[in-house]
Formats: sequence, C-alpha cells, structure tokens
Amino acid sequence: EAGVTQSPTHLIKTRGQQATLRCSPISGHTSVYWYQQALGLGLQFLLWYDEGEERNRGNFPPRFSGRQFPNYSSELNVNALELEDSALYLCASRFKSSGNTIYFGEGSWLTVV
Amino acid sequence: DQQVKQNSPSLSVQEGRISILNCDYTNSMFDYFLWYKKYPAEGPTFLISISSIKDKNEDGRFTVFLNKSAKHLSLHIVPSQPGDSAVYFCAATGGTSYGKLTFGQGTILTVHP
Repeated sequence: EAGVTQSPTHLIKTRGQQATLRCSPISGHTSVYWYQQALGLGLQFLLWYDEGEERNRGNFPPRFSGRQFPNYSSELNVNALELEDSALYLCASRFKSSGNTIYFGEGSWLTVV
Repeated sequence: DQQVKQNSPSLSVQEGRISILNCDYTNSMFDYFLWYKKYPAEGPTFLISISSIKDKNEDGRFTVFLNKSAKHLSLHIVPSQPGDSAVYFCAATGGTSYGKLTFGQGTILTVHP
C-alpha cells in the first residue's frame, strides 16, 4: 500500500513569490494535515482538511492557504514568500474511523532566497 | 503557549541500555498520546500510542507510560540500539483539539555502540 506522497521534494523560490506543495494521502484516508518544521524547531500545525472542508488551522498568517480536492489529495499554497518560510513542509493523512494516528509523507523542503 | 513539552533537547545512551524520553502536557483535555520517530530528511514515523484510559502500552522494545495526574508521559526503549538514534516527538490530541495532533519540540536520541 502506498504511503503519503508529497511533491516536489525540494523547491527553491525567491522572496515574494508563491509556492505550491502537493500531497496525496494514503488510499482510503479522507483527512489531510499540513505541518511546518522550521530548522531547529518542532512540528507546527498548519492546516487540517477533512472531506474537502478546512476543519482547523494553526497560528499562521492568511498567506498560508490550501485546499482538498474530491479525490482527497491536497495542496498547500504559500503566498508572498518570506525568508522565514524556509522549512520542511510535512503532509499527513488519517482514516477518520480508525483512531487518532496520522501518517506522514517524506516532506517537501522549501527554501526561500 | 506550548501545550506539549519535551524538556530534554537531547539524550545519549549506550547500546543495550534503557532510553527514557519524557514529555509533559498542560491541556487536561488531551486524551490520546503518540510517539513518533524522525530521521533527518524523512517524515516522522509512528511508533506507539496510548489512550488516557490506560497507563501503559507496550510494543516490542517500546513502552509508553502515562501519568495523568502529573500530565506526564514517557517512552522507554529497551534495549536501545544504534538504529534507534533519531529525533523523537511526542504528540497529543483530545478535547477541542480532537483530530489535530499537537507536537512537542522533539528529543534527539543518540545510541552509542
């Protein structure tokens, strides 16, 4: 069974540009989560989507946004990139009826220069 | 407000000995706790979890203990192996945070041969 897949693996953008990161959940999982891990920091919760709806968002500015598609894949958009947005962006998915465990992808490294 | 705290940034242990990683939480509504392991440049991998109705859960070399009155949990790894060297994150969910995991800052475990 394929795990959570994320693309691209690495992305380099210039300050002020926009970045789009993509995530495909484990087959059958309807919830998708996005977390940010900046250098030396823990995992900060960004967004949670479930069945196409945004269920919760973390303490991030509105330029961090996303969506979930009918096939449950998801996209994270970061507008007006700032240098401090450089981080590992992790996507995770969960099968709602099987508990609280979420399963992570390998992450997308975003570097803002 | 750091609701989940791992106060030890790092831990060094000899191969074959016990590793004890600690985690404290402040939100009394949390009722489900998880431990994840993360290697550099990879996504976190689920290790073990515990519900608040239990005080102990074992899976092979890994045991998680929960002390609800102290709002404290710990992960014991016995015996420790060099391949266990990684960053370990504890996470919690429950109450109004249900469905979303709140992570600690992580503890770097190094197991020396």
